[in-house]
Amino acid sequence: GAGVSQTPSNKVTEKGKYVELRCDPISGHTALYWYRQSLGQGPEFLIYFQGTGAADDSGLPNDRFFAVRPEGSVSTLKIQRTERGDSAVYLCASSPTRNTGELFFGEGSRLTVL
Amino acid sequence: DQQVKQNSPSLSVQEGRISILNCDYTNSMFDYFLWYKKYPAEGPTFLISISSIKDKNEDGRFTVFLNKSAKHLSLHIVPSQPGDSAVYFCAASATLQGGKLIFGQGTELSVKP
Repeated sequence: GAGVSQTPSNKVTEKGKYVELRCDPISGHTALYWYRQSLGQGPEFLIYFQGTGAADDSGLPNDRFFAVRPEGSVSTLKIQRTERGDSAVYLCASSPTRNTGELFFGEGSRLTVL
Repeated sequence: DQQVKQNSPSLSVQEGRISILNCDYTNSMFDYFLWYKKYPAEGPTFLISISSIKDKNEDGRFTVFLNKSAKHLSLHIVPSQPGDSAVYFCAASATLQGGKLIFGQGTELSVKP
């Protein structure tokens, strides 16, 4: 497909479990972003990759959250010891350059922590 | 702290009329502003943007106005159509702060036939 692909679309897990969310950006896009959207709120920035490196991870809420992009394409957001407050839609976006501001979002992965 | 605020959670407009969505920001470093549109179960999609060196940008039925002194921007949709019904997010970025987008809470627009 031509768009940003995120899997799984829905994930239900129990408190304390480990979760991985995957993002496949648009081919050729060098910048990749993770956002989190809670109910009734706008997307909240988590982390931004330029190529393989995390250029800005200032939005990660704590050390339970980690993200990688080892080959500069697919990215995985990893959440350890999940808590109920982690329940949200996790959005991935990519863009061809860093500072256009125009991001192409995936449909998101809805995470529910019971 | 909420650097980008959309104080109206919802707006209802009659088809054919103008829709005006508002957004305020606090960070004077922001130099690029965008509006995104979101339908249920889909990711946000880019609608229109404006650089801080301009005060207006127009694209078809959509116009964004920027008032830097008031730290306020607005999105005008004329004429409004039922297909415009969606949640609209205002976003801002600061080039010197890495360019990441900071989003407002969103305004749900309902355009009634």
